[in-house]
Amino acid sequence: NAGVTQTPKFRILKIGQSMTLQCTQDMNHNYMYWYRQDPGMGLKLIYYSVGAGITDKGEVPNGYNVSRSTTEDFPLRLELAAPSQTSVYFCASSYPGGDTEAFFGQGTRLTVV
Amino acid sequence: AQSVSQHNHHVILSEAASLELGCNYSYGGTVNLFWYVQYPGQHLQLLLKYFSGDPLVKGIKGFEAEFIKSKFSFNLRKPSVQWSDTAEYFCAVNAPGGSYIPTFGRGTSLIVHP
Repeated sequence: NAGVTQTPKFRILKIGQSMTLQCTQDMNHNYMYWYRQDPGMGLKLIYYSVGAGITDKGEVPNGYNVSRSTTEDFPLRLELAAPSQTSVYFCASSYPGGDTEAFFGQGTRLTVV
Repeated sequence: AQSVSQHNHHVILSEAASLELGCNYSYGGTVNLFWYVQYPGQHLQLLLKYFSGDPLVKGIKGFEAEFIKSKFSFNLRKPSVQWSDTAEYFCAVNAPGGSYIPTFGRGTSLIVHP
């Protein structure tokens, strides 16, 4: 059981470049999330989706875009990368409902230079 | 908006010491509370959760947490830590006001010296 799979694990981007972080889950979870983790700042929600075709902004959406065409996939797009986007990105998924825990991917460490 | 506060950002302990990490949340309604752990170089994984019933919940690896509704708190405890408990610990809340989207605290970095 693969769970939540993120690719790539590491990436270095130059300022102004674009890239897509891939996330797929095989647990048939309706809810999917993208968080960024910065040292001492915890996890900040970038975007989330409650089902295929439905996405919504989180706390820090600027500079990012998402799409959710299938239940399994939830890619995160970075347009015009900036140094402030240097971070570790985690994708997660869960069933709907307050008592369900989130399952996380291994993370993508992104550096923008 | 709901928020989660973790008071201890860095904790350093020796093996066999007792641990308590504080967590407070701001949401006033029914909440579901979680502690996640992130071992070095790994992804977050669930340590324990509370959504109803006995306010003292037990999780993996000897961890427990107590939900005190009157104090809006969900503190994590372990009577005797081990070197392998070195990790980052995150408190999280799923609350209906936030569509049950997990909101995380800033995290506590725990270092346990052998």
